[in-house]
Amino acid sequence: AQTVTQSQPEMSVQEAETVTLSCTYDTSENNYYLFWYKQPPSRQMILVIRQEAYKQQNATENRFSVNFQKAAKSFSLKISDSQLGDTAMYFCAYNDYKLSFGAGTTVTVRA
Amino acid sequence: GAGVSQSPSNKVTEKGKDVELRCDPISGHTALYWYRQSLGQGLEFLIYFQGNSAPDKSGLPSDRFSAERTGGSVSTLTIQRTQQEDSAVYLCASSLGGGPTDTQYFGPGTRLTVL
Repeated sequence: AQTVTQSQPEMSVQEAETVTLSCTYDTSENNYYLFWYKQPPSRQMILVIRQEAYKQQNATENRFSVNFQKAAKSFSLKISDSQLGDTAMYFCAYNDYKLSFGAGTTVTVRA
Repeated sequence: GAGVSQSPSNKVTEKGKDVELRCDPISGHTALYWYRQSLGQGLEFLIYFQGNSAPDKSGLPSDRFSAERTGGSVSTLTIQRTQQEDSAVYLCASSLGGGPTDTQYFGPGTRLTVL
């Protein structure tokens, strides 16, 4: 399994503000896929965004975007215009057919 | 069905008992995965199915754990002689083909508590 590191156990953000979650990983592969998943208190893991390593363009999904730095093996997630419903645990994951997850970052959006 | 389903949602058992956890993947998905989520270990891969065969069982923590998949669909994870350290949320996921490009879709999980 690949090593995925999320160094921020918890983050708090005011509603409508922006928060950035960090993720680094270790791999010797040149082409691979990275994902961010969200897990709200309901426990359901939900895909937020995915990035293919051979694509230089950063992926964007509505208010969610990534900053993918391949050379640095960094894959951060930016949540813009934070909403109360964004409160959840966020996991960064590396996929080589099975997912290797980081430890997760708990995001709390304050009203 | 519309998504991955798992049953039961919660299971409480006594140490030493056997338990079976069930996963029903998205229709048409050939790949099925089991993961375990616990406070101490985070999210860990357990086993991967492609069709009815399991080419990767490397994450099963001991021989008390086994899993099968029948008809290329439903999968059962069995834990024999449960121990307190088996307490965790067991998550099932499925994907269309099982390759690294495929998104894995997760079920709601089964929370197992071993007393």
